[in-house]
Amino acid sequence: EPEVTQTPSHQVTQMGQEVILRCVPISNHLYFYWYRQILGQKVEFLVSFYNNEISEKSEIFDDQFSVERPDGSNFTLKIRSTKLEDSAMYFCASSAAHLGVGNTIYFGEGSWLTVV
Amino acid sequence: SQQGEEDPQALSIQEGENATMNCSYKTSINNLQWYRQNSGRGLVHLILIRSNEREKHSGRLRVTLDTSKKSSSLLITASRAADTASYFCATVLTGANSKLTFGKGITLSVRP
Repeated sequence: EPEVTQTPSHQVTQMGQEVILRCVPISNHLYFYWYRQILGQKVEFLVSFYNNEISEKSEIFDDQFSVERPDGSNFTLKIRSTKLEDSAMYFCASSAAHLGVGNTIYFGEGSWLTVV
Repeated sequence: SQQGEEDPQALSIQEGENATMNCSYKTSINNLQWYRQNSGRGLVHLILIRSNEREKHSGRLRVTLDTSKKSSSLLITASRAADTASYFCATVLTGANSKLTFGKGITLSVRP
């Protein structure tokens, strides 16, 4: 079964450093997402991306965050200057079409980011 | 309260028993989805129910949706120890077709 893959699975970074989290969505999917989950809390939407541009973003997704689809297969999340509160599990996801027509989002296993 | 609130927050049952988890939401939805998350792992899609549907089945899972009460329930029948996980409901709000809004989740423990 096709799956969303994420790297790295775990990263420890110093506060203020830049981090890039990488994702390979399912190959025929057109919509891409990033979510995060702080330990013990609920999963929060960060951003959705379609046709090479951001469709929607949350208040969490401020100027420190950016997304990019640098080639035909990868989808990345960059955090420019990490803060302690950025420590969380970051999930990449993809879907074949937009969610309003009942499409399923498929999630990756997550990248656990620890900022020290 | 928030969009997508599950209850109970934690549920502990014996293997073989049925587990019922509830989710309530505040605003009009396009569809509602249930996910499972094993500790420290990714989110696994279980089942999707559209706003014009009232009940769906998938194996040992049964989901109902009552749009008049803005609530959904997930029933797992004949539970197994392997069902131990956190369960989340997530909604696609009407007009917000590009994101899921998750609840806080229910921790289910199935004792062998």
